[in-house]
Amino acid sequence: ETGVTQTPRHLVMGMTNKKSLKCEQHLGHNAMYWYKQSAKKPLELMFVYNFKEQTENNSVPSRFSPECPNSSHLFLHLHTLQPEDSALYLCASSQAPPQFLYGYTFGSGTRLTVV
Amino acid sequence: KNEVEQSPQNLTAQEGEFITINCSYSVGISALHWLQQHPGGGIVSLFMLSSGKKKHGRLIATINIQEKHSSLHITASHPRDSAVYICAVGRYGGSQGNLIFGKGTKLSVKP
Repeated sequence: ETGVTQTPRHLVMGMTNKKSLKCEQHLGHNAMYWYKQSAKKPLELMFVYNFKEQTENNSVPSRFSPECPNSSHLFLHLHTLQPEDSALYLCASSQAPPQFLYGYTFGSGTRLTVV
Repeated sequence: KNEVEQSPQNLTAQEGEFITINCSYSVGISALHWLQQHPGGGIVSLFMLSSGKKKHGRLIATINIQEKHSSLHITASHPRDSAVYICAVGRYGGSQGNLIFGKGTKLSVKP
């Protein structure tokens, strides 16, 4: 365990479903991130939250909706997804900005399959 | 051409061998990260560095800013080192979290 916990680990959903991914950290970090890792592709940043405020939206489609109620919790709400959205979704946290000693701490990811 | 290139893409080694994974980048950076991703998907941050060399146990990371190149070395490799190793850079002046990731090097260490 890295200190960043993601649930669920695996999720299969239909294109008309609504689901949410959850990320939780109790490391005292004040920045949280969502990354997407598609098959055979490098990781790509989706969203950044600093002190609960969204500071980056990396041109992500509106069918992905993030929510950060406090510095310890981050959600990614999913609705009307497409099969090409199937990927590993990784949450990370850090100090804001990341410190050289600690860098980023990643969770184990949620493996999402859209059918 | 990707802004972050890793080599090799795949690497198979025998237990005990010394391993080197290379990363070259083409942008000005504020920091470079080495990450380890296990088959389950979780990622562990190994190093974050902007100059010189860092060592943690059997792992050593070096960076040459002038040559825009970094290496990750594993001494006395072990089957538990089998994973994908990812190089990522934070672009100089770039936004927080907006790392440029390499495609990873898949390492398999045989007993």
